[in-house]
Amino acid sequence: GQNIDQPTEMTATEGAIVQINCTYQTSGFNGLFWYQQHAGEAPTFLSYNVLDGLEEKGRFSSFLSRSKGYSYLLLKELQMKDSASYLCAVMDSNYQLIWGAGTKLIIKP
Amino acid sequence: GAVVSQHPSWVICKSGTSVKIECRSLDFQATTMFWYRQFPKQSLMLMATSNEGSKATYEQGVEKDKFLINHASLTLSTLTVTSAHPEDSSFYICSAWGQGDLNEQFFGPGTRLTVL
Repeated sequence: GQNIDQPTEMTATEGAIVQINCTYQTSGFNGLFWYQQHAGEAPTFLSYNVLDGLEEKGRFSSFLSRSKGYSYLLLKELQMKDSASYLCAVMDSNYQLIWGAGTKLIIKP
Repeated sequence: GAVVSQHPSWVICKSGTSVKIECRSLDFQATTMFWYRQFPKQSLMLMATSNEGSKATYEQGVEKDKFLINHASLTLSTLTVTSAHPEDSSFYICSAWGQGDLNEQFFGPGTRLTVL
């Protein structure tokens, strides 16, 4: 079957760095998405990786290793507003999105 | 875990026809379902919030007469794209909000619509 695994919850301190991991097993691969979702709001696109390597975008970076079925989202200089759920989703060979359950990130002062 | 399905997975239709997309919560009841539209490599754009037994709430800029939503039961919501045009070609994703212990949002796999 197809599945996406990511931690249920993580806690980090304001100003620190946190890495949220995502591992996947899917039928084919057409890219991996990371979304941020604040409670009660629609998810916001953070990144899209289809090739191996690190993509940096400001305080957020996303890494992909297709051979390992692994990605991570790296958040630097954490701010209180980064407290949210982070969703990992993989698009399979049929262009269907397989969603992770999301990681709830709690930022403490 | 909770599962949300969509049918069809993909559909190709001629301009001017209507297309119905189903969203089902397979092992839980959902009083609220959401419909999103996704443009390539971009955010999910919330189109409407669908509540069981009542009219859907549409986001600003979304034509309610074009995107008809029906949430007739606690496990099924449908989105009908009426008189579809090529600019309606997109990836439509639904999600369901579980009740009780399932107090979180579960996303469907999406439906790819191509209008010729």
